[in-house]
Amino acid sequence: AQSVAQPEDQVNVAEGNPLTVKCTYSVSGNPYLFWYVQYPNRGLQFLLKYITGDNLVKGSYGFEAEFNKSQTSFHLKKPSALVSDSALYFCAVRSRNSGNTPLVFGKGTRLSVIA
Amino acid sequence: DGGITQSPKYLFRKEGQNVTLSCEQNLNHDAMYWYRQDPGQGLRLIYYSQIVNDFQKGDIAEGYSVSREKKESFPLTVTSAQKNPTAFYLCASSPPWSGPNTDTQYFGPGTRLTVL
Repeated sequence: AQSVAQPEDQVNVAEGNPLTVKCTYSVSGNPYLFWYVQYPNRGLQFLLKYITGDNLVKGSYGFEAEFNKSQTSFHLKKPSALVSDSALYFCAVRSRNSGNTPLVFGKGTRLSVIA
Repeated sequence: DGGITQSPKYLFRKEGQNVTLSCEQNLNHDAMYWYRQDPGQGLRLIYYSQIVNDFQKGDIAEGYSVSREKKESFPLTVTSAQKNPTAFYLCASSPPWSGPNTDTQYFGPGTRLTVL
């Protein structure tokens, strides 16, 4: 079975400080990993994904994520947070061997960036 | 949200009524999905369809039904059998298996359903 854990329901960070939103996963075989962002009453927007290759993935709006196979983690990071980054963030996973099946999502982490 | 439309944005239903939520995409995507979002529970998969005229149940299919008669459309019906239908419903689609951006799901803007 595939699963994703986002251990923090809420992350608070001061504007200009670095931010990290944590994600760990469980799949059989190698994973495809994704981060999405959701603003209030909107759909999810794709931020970035890891498929293969370089463990550090760069995405939209200055976000990046690092794939760590030994720790089964895919934490989302940004060097300098903006108030406009405040939103709900979802990590998602799928096994590379499971065909074109749906992504499995974590429960989400609410990021609050304080001015 | 571009390319995937959901209507209506807000929907109110009386208990005992069936309602149908629309999802249309013009991205030429093969696969389409329906998720339900409740506060603190993340996204839960209701149904998905990988090809026209075929669909599979997700984790919480009871009380819901779907059809996939056209590639562009994947409507979701919330039936009176769904005991707690008040939620935010999200539709998504993903490109062909062999194409670029395979595996990435793209989401519509959502429909908020409230049962009165």
